[in-house]
Amino acid sequence: DAGVTQSPTHLIKTRGQHVTLRCSPISGHKSVSWYQQVLGQGPQFIFQYYEKEERGRGNFPDRFSARQFPNYSSELNVNALLLGDSALYLCASSLNANILSYEQYFGPGTRLTVT
Amino acid sequence: GENVEQHPSTLSVQEGDSAVIKCTYSDSASNYFPWYKQELGKGPQLIIDIRSNVGEKKDQRIAVTLNKTAKHFSLHITETQPEDSAVYFCAAKGDSSYKLIFGSGTRLLVRP
Repeated sequence: DAGVTQSPTHLIKTRGQHVTLRCSPISGHKSVSWYQQVLGQGPQFIFQYYEKEERGRGNFPDRFSARQFPNYSSELNVNALLLGDSALYLCASSLNANILSYEQYFGPGTRLTVT
Repeated sequence: GENVEQHPSTLSVQEGDSAVIKCTYSDSASNYFPWYKQELGKGPQLIIDIRSNVGEKKDQRIAVTLNKTAKHFSLHITETQPEDSAVYFCAAKGDSSYKLIFGSGTRLLVRP
């Protein structure tokens, strides 16, 4: 069984550029959440999507956006990149967005470096 | 606001000894508490979780305890092995929330 997959694994961008990160959830899972993990810290919640709709948003600026596709895969977009956006971006998959569906399974992440 | 504090930040134990990591949460509505293990270059791996209607849960060498009154929960690893070396994160989630609130992590080193 394939777990959560993310692409690319590593990315280097320049300040002001735009980036798109991709995630495919575990087969059968319909909800995807995005987290940002800065070096040495715990993951911080960015978004949750279920059935192509945003169900939750963390304390991140509007430069961050996401969407979910009919096959439940998801993209995270970040515009006007800042040095502080350098982090590991994690995608987490869960069965659905039912608040009783608690377990979230993480992918390997995309390491974004902004220079 | 919502917050999860985790201690210690680093923990070094001899192989075969036990390790305990402790977390405190602020939101009394939290009712789900997972623990994740993160190895270098990898995403967090769910290793055990507990819900607020349970006080203790065990899975082989790992166990988690929850004290709702004190808003504390802890991870216990017995008979530690070198492959247990990693960063461990606790997290909390409430019924009305879609997000996990993570602690700051504990770097566990098991010395052979």
